[in-house]
Amino acid sequence: DTEVTQTPKHLVMGMTNKKSLKCEQHMGHRAMYWYKQKAKKPPELMFVYSYEKLSINESVPSRFSPECPNSSLLNLHLHALQPEDSALYLCASSHPQVTEETQYFGPGTRLLVL
Amino acid sequence: GQQVMQIPQYQHVQEGEDFTTYCNSSTTLSNIQWYKQRPGGHPVFLIQLVKSGEVKKQKRLTFQFGEAKKNSSLHITATQTTDVGTYFCASQGRGGSNYKLTFGKGTLLTVNP
Repeated sequence: DTEVTQTPKHLVMGMTNKKSLKCEQHMGHRAMYWYKQKAKKPPELMFVYSYEKLSINESVPSRFSPECPNSSLLNLHLHALQPEDSALYLCASSHPQVTEETQYFGPGTRLLVL
Repeated sequence: GQQVMQIPQYQHVQEGEDFTTYCNSSTTLSNIQWYKQRPGGHPVFLIQLVKSGEVKKQKRLTFQFGEAKKNSSLHITATQTTDVGTYFCASQGRGGSNYKLTFGKGTLLTVNP
């Protein structure tokens, strides 16, 4: 199984809503990532979890709150988002090694904030 | 990851023509990865280059890593409509930021049938 799954595929939320994005992989990968991608732009790294611990936070606003309940799951909790947060949110995973780190991306969640 | 500059931003070709996208860095890269993202899709890993001067081929795709490990290219021979998408190069951070993958801006390839 070389698949990363993400739910939901699409999400529309208001600025006062609380929602969560979910990501799951069963490849035994111990590094998991959240990226944000705006239209016609490259993915931008938001968070990295390594062995279920947050290892990188790219100065992401606190209205985005990541969580890694176990080695297979990664969540992104959303609260009080702004319209400019509308984007494709991609989850990825990899097997952390020193010299090789292919990242497998999920299909993403397309988020629209109204 | 270290910053990589990618050109061109867009490339439109007739089906059957060749296509090349280039990535350049001002610093030595530990490795470089290439991804393809179809319209409406997500990035899909194509290949990783690690060694100086490395050349790898996947059918009509040829990937090169420069001798100084500061540049890379992806060349597609005889493009097909299925090659349409955005091609990203990405550099991986060293040491403490080993997990950080920084993407180039991408090259959007469109193919006229």
